[in-house]
Amino acid sequence: EVQLLESGGGLVQPGKSLRLSCAASEFTFSSYAMHWVRQAPGKGLEWVSTVSGSGSYTDYADSVKGRFTISRDNSKDTLFLQMHSLRAEDTAVYYCAKGVGVMTLYNWFDSWGQGTLVTVSS
Amino acid sequence: EIVLTQSPGTLSLSPGQRATLSCRASQSVSNSYLAWYQQKPGQAPRLLIYGASSRATGIPDRFSGSGSGTDFTLTISRLEPEDLAVYYCQQYGSSPPYTFGQGTKLEIK
Repeated sequence: EVQLLESGGGLVQPGKSLRLSCAASEFTFSSYAMHWVRQAPGKGLEWVSTVSGSGSYTDYADSVKGRFTISRDNSKDTLFLQMHSLRAEDTAVYYCAKGVGVMTLYNWFDSWGQGTLVTVSS
Repeated sequence: EIVLTQSPGTLSLSPGQRATLSCRASQSVSNSYLAWYQQKPGQAPRLLIYGASSRATGIPDRFSGSGSGTDFTLTISRLEPEDLAVYYCQQYGSSPPYTFGQGTKLEIK
């Protein structure tokens, strides 16, 4: 069974940075695109970013473009989300999710981690 | 960007009844690239349906999806108390950005 375990969340002040990690297991990590999806408290799901299996291709939601960077270390089966210039509206549970193909396009999310909470507040 | 609108916002039904959830897209979803997810309270989302009508692994056949173009439906027959959840649709035919509907909350009386 696919396992995804996020970490790195916490309380951070506006304008600061934070890096999230997602440790993956029980599947061939490099063969699949990976995604970050967030959920603000009491709200719906919002796609944040996607990285291809090789790590060469990335995409971002307009709301985070230029502030967040997605990356992966296929030697360690780990996905990352580096977040800079954090804002109050970035407060959310961040989920990592496994895609169904190696590229960033045409993915649905067939496995999800349990999420890590990021709170941006002074 | 394709906007997905789900209705109703909240659905309250009794065990054994049938639930019909709607997801309408602002433009045609190519190749019926639409998925449905279930999110139970305090849990991560779980994939139910992809390709508009294909059930994910381990999903009971009480859950079925249909539709094409701009109109899609998730049907849950013979509701059980454990079906209490928020259900989201997601399009992946015009991606990125991947977009989700705002969710339908299913209450079990």
